[in-house]
Amino acid sequence: GEDVEQSLFLSVREGDSSVINCTYTDSSSTYLYWYKQEPGAGLQLLTYIFSNMDMKQDQRLTVLLNKKDKHLSLRIADTQTGDSAIYFCALLQGNQGGKLIFGQGTELSVKP
Amino acid sequence: DGGITQSPKYLFRKEGQNVTLSCEQNLNHDAMYWYRQDPGQGLRLIYYSQIVNDFQKGDIAEGYSVSREKKESFPLTVTSAQKNPTAFYLCASSTGQLPPYEQYFGPGTRLTVT
Repeated sequence: GEDVEQSLFLSVREGDSSVINCTYTDSSSTYLYWYKQEPGAGLQLLTYIFSNMDMKQDQRLTVLLNKKDKHLSLRIADTQTGDSAIYFCALLQGNQGGKLIFGQGTELSVKP
Repeated sequence: DGGITQSPKYLFRKEGQNVTLSCEQNLNHDAMYWYRQDPGQGLRLIYYSQIVNDFQKGDIAEGYSVSREKKESFPLTVTSAQKNPTAFYLCASSTGQLPPYEQYFGPGTRLTVT
């Protein structure tokens, strides 16, 4: 089945850029998403990218998609302590009515 | 104020009891979803519903049941057949008919079974 992999932890200094990576096995996914989860809370959709795009920018967030290598990344510019959270990448499974498969999440720690 | 509500936030049950988790949305979304989250793992889909009176099994449906009698409500019952029910349960909704299926999540219910 589909597999989505993320590294578990990332630590950066406030003001630096953070890059969170995700690799996947199913190249047929049409939409790829990034979600943020703060402690004890639900998930918040940050952004998504359609599979025919290479890059999408939204304020401090930049998503890069390399379909050949099946690699998705999320760059957060000027990282703040409020960005500390778990970040999940997710892929839409075929066109089956919104079925998403999630990576295990990357815990981002931002140190002052 | 539009959104998804889940209640209660914390729930404690004894082994062998069925328990029902509530999920309500006032976003007028057609589709609703239930996920389970375990520590250090991503979300796994339990059930989803694209329209009232219809629902499909996700990847880990065994030991769970759902109903979708109203558009705004999608309750999840954790039955005594679920072997390891202690987890964080998240409900989501989306417009449902076409991609990108932007899913909006509720705050979650943490279920502890002893």
